[in-house]
Amino acid sequence: GENVEQHPSTLSVQEGDSAVIKCTYSDSASNYFPWYKQELGKRPQLIIDIRSNVGEKKDQRIAVTLNKTAKHFSLHITETQPEDSAVYFCAASKGASGTYKYIFGTGTRLKVLA
Amino acid sequence: GAVVSQHPSWVICKSGTSVKIECRSLDFQATTMFWYRQFPKQSLMLMATSNEGSKATYEQGVEKDKFLINHASLTLSTLTVTSAHPEDSSFYICSARTGGDGYTFGSGTRLTVV
Repeated sequence: GENVEQHPSTLSVQEGDSAVIKCTYSDSASNYFPWYKQELGKRPQLIIDIRSNVGEKKDQRIAVTLNKTAKHFSLHITETQPEDSAVYFCAASKGASGTYKYIFGTGTRLKVLA
Repeated sequence: GAVVSQHPSWVICKSGTSVKIECRSLDFQATTMFWYRQFPKQSLMLMATSNEGSKATYEQGVEKDKFLINHASLTLSTLTVTSAHPEDSSFYICSARTGGDGYTFGSGTRLTVV
């Protein structure tokens, strides 16, 4: 079935350094890839997304890249700050052909050390 | 923006009883809602997709008789955990499709079965 793998499961970086989280999806029909940030006991919040017709998207310190051929997409956070500490989830969706459901990755616990 | 209100935020119940969780879309009509379960330090696992006025579609391995989903109106979907047992203790979270590929999540319900 559809599967999204996410690595690493935990990531510690020094404040100001960059963090990169990688995801691989199995279904080549996936065409929408959101990234969510979840703080403990809270709802996931969308931080950035990318569609399959785009290779890269940036929003201030956050960027996402997509390699459709390899079925990889990655989240890049630059100049990390302690408030970036949270769990990050990637997801893949096939849009209408998949009833818009998301398949989530296993999550990455990011710790930014002050 | 689109808001989904989820109640209760936490509930403790005795083994064998049933618990109902509600998700309401406050300022938009949610034709599709998704229900997820999240165990501690794990990913969001899709349980079922509910469409207003029709039966929910359950993911493989999810017992439809145990997790009853009702989506009787465009603004309300409910999940009832019937005959709850300690292994059902988890964080349950709904999300509603807001149009296109976008979702908005409820705030989640922490269920503890004792």
